[in-house]
Amino acid sequence: KAGVTQTPRYLIKTRGQQVTLSCSPISGHRSVSWYQQTPGQGLQFLFEYFSETQRNKGNFPGRFSGRQFSNSRSEMNVSTLELGDSALYLCASSFGGHTEAFFGQGTRLTVV
Amino acid sequence: AQKVTQAQTEISVVEKEDVTLDCVYETRDTTYYLFWYKQPPSGELVFLIRRNSFDEQNEISGRYSWNFQKSTSSFNFTITASQVVDSAVYFCALSGTGGGADGLTFGKGTHLIIQP
Repeated sequence: KAGVTQTPRYLIKTRGQQVTLSCSPISGHRSVSWYQQTPGQGLQFLFEYFSETQRNKGNFPGRFSGRQFSNSRSEMNVSTLELGDSALYLCASSFGGHTEAFFGQGTRLTVV
Repeated sequence: AQKVTQAQTEISVVEKEDVTLDCVYETRDTTYYLFWYKQPPSGELVFLIRRNSFDEQNEISGRYSWNFQKSTSSFNFTITASQVVDSAVYFCALSGTGGGADGLTFGKGTHLIIQP
């Protein structure tokens, strides 16, 4: 079965712009979580969506937002980009609860 | 707050050696889940194992084995007879059940280099 698909794989944006990243979960999975990975901070939890509702949110500013659609696909938006937002953004899908999460290949965002 | 510590930043061994990756965690939850993931250069995190806090049985899967010791809050991962394809960054992660907004709390990762 198809894995988690993230698009685009690479993005280059300018400071102050906004960006939208997309994640298609594994079929049947209703939970989608987003993580930011940087060399300095490592992997950090952004938020989780389940059945179109945000269930959990990490310690990130309001510039980071997301949503989930009825088909469980999710998007993540970052507004007013800063240089420090440059990172690998990973999406994970699962059946929810504390079941194993399966990750996509990520979107590499570079802010210049 | 939850915390996962992987003290080994990088380990380099020669192929066929056994290697153990350490993971120590902190949580106030009585029920929690522990995970190991592998991240090859392609970037995707590959799920390896999930363990709940009530199951302290060690697990073996092929060349991989995991040692969960609640008394020392450790969940170590051993690769037996390592192979070059095992080279990757390995992450230990924790998921609590006490509420809050933690998602998966990851350690900083251990970069494992298997030399031919």
